[in-house]
Amino acid sequence: EVQVLESGGGLVQPGGSLRLSCAASGFTFSSFAMAWVRQAPGKGLEWVSSIIGSGVSTYYADSVKGRFTISRDNSQKTMYLQMNSLRADDTAVYYCTKRSPVVGFPDDYWGQGTMVTVSS
Amino acid sequence: DIQMTQSPSSLSASVGDVVTITCRASQGISSSLNWYQQKPGKAPKLLIYAASSLQIGVPSRFSGSGSGTDFTLTITNLQPEDFATYYCQQTYSARAFGQGTKLEIK
Repeated sequence: EVQVLESGGGLVQPGGSLRLSCAASGFTFSSFAMAWVRQAPGKGLEWVSSIIGSGVSTYYADSVKGRFTISRDNSQKTMYLQMNSLRADDTAVYYCTKRSPVVGFPDDYWGQGTMVTVSS
Repeated sequence: DIQMTQSPSSLSASVGDVVTITCRASQGISSSLNWYQQKPGKAPKLLIYAASSLQIGVPSRFSGSGSGTDFTLTITNLQPEDFATYYCQQTYSARAFGQGTKLEIK
């Protein structure tokens, strides 16, 4: 059974840092692109960042470029999101997603999410 | 950046109804359009990919159509478990979601 499980969320002060992890199981992790999607309280979905299976190529939304870094350790079947210079508007539930290779490249599996709160 | 606009933002319907949700892209995206369903407190669930392909396990009352800039999600014979928020997502250039359509019980 495919599973992705996020961890690492919590309360952090503005300007602080946090690292999220996403542990994967049930599929050949290194063969699939992965992504982070976030949802601010009461708001819609926002794509944050993606990484291809090898980890060589990464992509970021303009809102986090230069502050967040996505990475993965295929030997540990884990993806990470290093978040620096956090702001109040980064407060959200962060979802880890597995990307399907079919046409459209949809996010076919999602974790349950981890909450990040940026507040003093 | 490609912007995605869904309409309506909210919708009231009854069990057994047919509902249609529209998603418009700010520029052509071919068929690079996916649809998701999200229930309160839960992660989104993939319904439709590549504009019209039904994800495995999703009931056939869900269907998608469109290409280019205009897309539609149709739900026939609405069931109680279908009341949720629906999002479209373009994957043609980077990624972007529509703002969501909340489907409520009338």
